Amino acid sequence: EIEMTQSPATLSVSPGERATLSCRASHSVASNLAWYQQRPGQAPSLLIYGASTRATGIPARFSGSGSGTEFTLTISSLQSEDFAVYYCQQYHNWPLFTFGPGTKVDFK
Amino acid sequence: QVHLQESGPGLVKPSETLSLTCTVSGGSISNYYWSWIRQPPGKGLEWIGYIYSSGSTIYNPSLKSRVTISIDTSKNHFSLKLTSVTAADTAVYYCARLRYNYGFDYWGQGTLVIGSS
Repeated sequence: EIEMTQSPATLSVSPGERATLSCRASHSVASNLAWYQQRPGQAPSLLIYGASTRATGIPARFSGSGSGTEFTLTISSLQSEDFAVYYCQQYHNWPLFTFGPGTKVDFK
Repeated sequence: QVHLQESGPGLVKPSETLSLTCTVSGGSISNYYWSWIRQPPGKGLEWIGYIYSSGSTIYNPSLKSRVTISIDTSKNHFSLKLTSVTAADTAVYYCARLRYNYGFDYWGQGTLVIGSS
């Protein structure tokens, strides 16, 4: 099984600031990684797939990078609606999938 | 726009079977993978399993002995059964569409199921 870890567990940021979230895989997942946003009380929604491709309708302030075992999600200028929990998920080990434990982005 | 909606009992007694259905609207259920994912209160996401529209299934090894996912393409819905429920199965259960090399692109709103007498 490929294990996913994320850091930090909580990231305190002010609106307008840049947020950088990390995700690490226990084995290489190439670029087979997705990022999801989960706002309070809502279902997760797909932000990024293929490690760096934004899903349909996702604003350009969200960007993903990395390959292999190290990945980064960057939010260039935080908006109020971006305060949420972010999960990474690998699909390299198809048909078995694993999620990271999440990073909560909250108000500084 | 594809829409998914979970339905089923919100309370399941210990040792009994959890049964949920996900109804897909706004698009065909054919030629896609459909998945169940759960989230215990205040915790992260756990993938349960998926079914392809042909009926082939794959389950998370940690739940495999208790899980069955089925599909009815004529009704555009798929279902989850989880046997021998305990309090540890208390979670919000989501259905989602899975795309190859893409991830889970459409999600239902989720339904809370509590394992308790």
